Amino acid sequence: ILNVEQSPQSLHVQEGDSTNFTCSFPSSNFYALHWYRWETAKSPEALFVMTLNGDEKKKGRISATLNTKEGYSYLYIKGSQPEDSATYLCAFGYNFNKFYFGSGTKLNVKP
Amino acid sequence: DGGITQSPKYLFRKEGQNVTLSCEQNLNHDAMYWYRQDPGQGLRLIYYSQIVNDFQKGDIAEGYSVSREKKESFPLTVTSAQKNPTAFYLCASSGHGYGEQFFGPGTRLTVL
Repeated sequence: ILNVEQSPQSLHVQEGDSTNFTCSFPSSNFYALHWYRWETAKSPEALFVMTLNGDEKKKGRISATLNTKEGYSYLYIKGSQPEDSATYLCAFGYNFNKFYFGSGTKLNVKP
Repeated sequence: DGGITQSPKYLFRKEGQNVTLSCEQNLNHDAMYWYRQDPGQGLRLIYYSQIVNDFQKGDIAEGYSVSREKKESFPLTVTSAQKNPTAFYLCASSGHGYGEQFFGPGTRLTVL
């Protein structure tokens, strides 16, 4: 079983703050790295699918970077809003079918 | 409206009983997965199936069984051999696109 670490475990920020989380994964046999957002009482939804070293993705105020050589990815949220409150999961894959999930970072944005 | 459905949402089981969790998808995806979530832990893979009539064990398959008789359906049976079955179970499917997974709403199983 591969080890995927996410930090911090939880985060409380004020509306308007910018924040970032880390996902650490093995630096070998990389296939893809996924970020998911999991809101309470909903299903996890994919935010980003990252496949290349140096890959950078952006969706509105949220962006992610990837360093496969050193085994980490950062997720950034600029100007956090209450609707960003959710658990953010990362998943490291070494092939199409086998993904290992971190335990998530739970973000709470206070109005 | 494409998606994944799981039923039931909540399930209570007495010790020693087998129970089956349903998972259906209409996304036309070949691959389907079952994950288990326990408090403070990441999702752990129980079983996956790449194609009809074929499935593979994940990291925590002991005490579980699956079938894949139709592309749309991937039911999970939690048997009495599973020592600690109380958990939240998520089903997912994947088509193309580097394994991006689409999840159902989950089933919370409680053993009484």
